[in-house]
Amino acid sequence: GQQVMQIPQYQHVQEGEDFTTYCNSSTTLSNIQWYKQRPGGHPVFLIQLVKSGEVKKQKRLTFQFGEAKKNSSLHITATQTTDVGTYFCAGRGAFGNEKLTFGTGTRLTIIP
Amino acid sequence: DAGITQSPRYKITETGRQVTLMCHQTWSHSYMFWYRQDLGHGLRLIYYSAAADITDKGEVPDGYVVSRSKTENFPLTLESATRSQTSVYFCASSAGGRANNEQFFGPGTRLTVL
Repeated sequence: GQQVMQIPQYQHVQEGEDFTTYCNSSTTLSNIQWYKQRPGGHPVFLIQLVKSGEVKKQKRLTFQFGEAKKNSSLHITATQTTDVGTYFCAGRGAFGNEKLTFGTGTRLTIIP
Repeated sequence: DAGITQSPRYKITETGRQVTLMCHQTWSHSYMFWYRQDLGHGLRLIYYSAAADITDKGEVPDGYVVSRSKTENFPLTLESATRSQTSVYFCASSAGGRANNEQFFGPGTRLTVL
């Protein structure tokens, strides 16, 4: 079955440093979504990428979808304490049904 | 606007007991999902439903039963709870379709099986 790997599992950064998490799928994806889960909370949708090579920005967050539609990344510039949480990618298979396969997540902690 | 709710929020039960986790959404979303979240595994899909009376297995369905008699409700039943089913359970819903397929998650139910 489809597998989605995400690295690193944990990342500790000083406030103001940049942060990147990477997502790799074992199969080609129709699209990929990113979610953020604050400590003790539930996952919240951030963005969806659909096109090969697509890049989207949300303020300090930059999302990329690979040319082969098998990998993706999330980059946060100049982290702030509000960025703390676990970031998940979630891939939808090439046939586009509604199921998502979630990555294992990257837990970001910020050192003030 | 309640959105998507789950009950109970916390549950402690014993091995072998039957437990039902409730999920209710007010958006009339077609799709509903049940995930479990365990450290090191992320979110794993248990079951999902495309509409009332239509359900399908996800990645880890063993030991679980679902039903969807009404669009707004999607209960998850553990027929005979085991310690390995100790987890945080999230229900989610989505409108479906390529333009509206982000998933909205409930607050979760933390289940402990002793």
